[in-house]
Amino acid sequence: AQSVTQLGSHVSVSEGALVLLRCNYSSSVPPYLFWYVQYPNQGLQLLLKYTSAATLVKGINGFEAEFKKSETSFHLTKPSAHMSDAAEYFCAVSDRGKSTFGDGTTLTVKP
Amino acid sequence: KAGVTQTPRYLIKTRGQQVTLSCSPISGHRSVSWYQQTPGQGLQFLFEYFSETQRNKGNFPGRFSGRQFSNSRSEMNVSTLELGDSALYLCASSPGRGQNEKLFFGSGTQLSVL
Repeated sequence: AQSVTQLGSHVSVSEGALVLLRCNYSSSVPPYLFWYVQYPNQGLQLLLKYTSAATLVKGINGFEAEFKKSETSFHLTKPSAHMSDAAEYFCAVSDRGKSTFGDGTTLTVKP
Repeated sequence: KAGVTQTPRYLIKTRGQQVTLSCSPISGHRSVSWYQQTPGQGLQFLFEYFSETQRNKGNFPGRFSGRQFSNSRSEMNVSTLELGDSALYLCASSPGRGQNEKLFFGSGTQLSVL
């Protein structure tokens, strides 16, 4: 069975500071990992996905994530937070058409 | 290409009623998944349809059902509504050809059960 754990339901950073959102996964097969973002009153949008071609994955809006098999982690980072990054972020693992999502992390960006 | 379209956007029902939600996937996508999102439970997988067949199912009671039509449009039905069914219901589509596909989400249907 697959599962995802997001550490920290709320993360607050100052504008311009580093963003780090943590995700650990459990999967019995090589994982298909994703990060999605959800803005208020909207559906989820894909930020990036792990394809096994590279451990460091670059996504949209300056986000990137590093796959670490030894730590079963897929943490999301962004060097410099922007006010528009305030949203809820979900890590997900996919297996044969079924995606399992973490509980989400709400990112607040302070001016 | 048009995105995933969910209708209606908002819905208010009373306990005991039934409701049908609709989802039109991106053109060419054959897989449609449904998720329930609530503040307490997060995103919970309901089921996935591919080429009119239910391919995956989550752990929801039989009151929750769905179907997919030949044009890949999907409907989700909830019968005998309970207060706890109040949630944002999200539909997502994908081509359905592989395991590493990203999901394209609609904006959801916000269901309130009174």
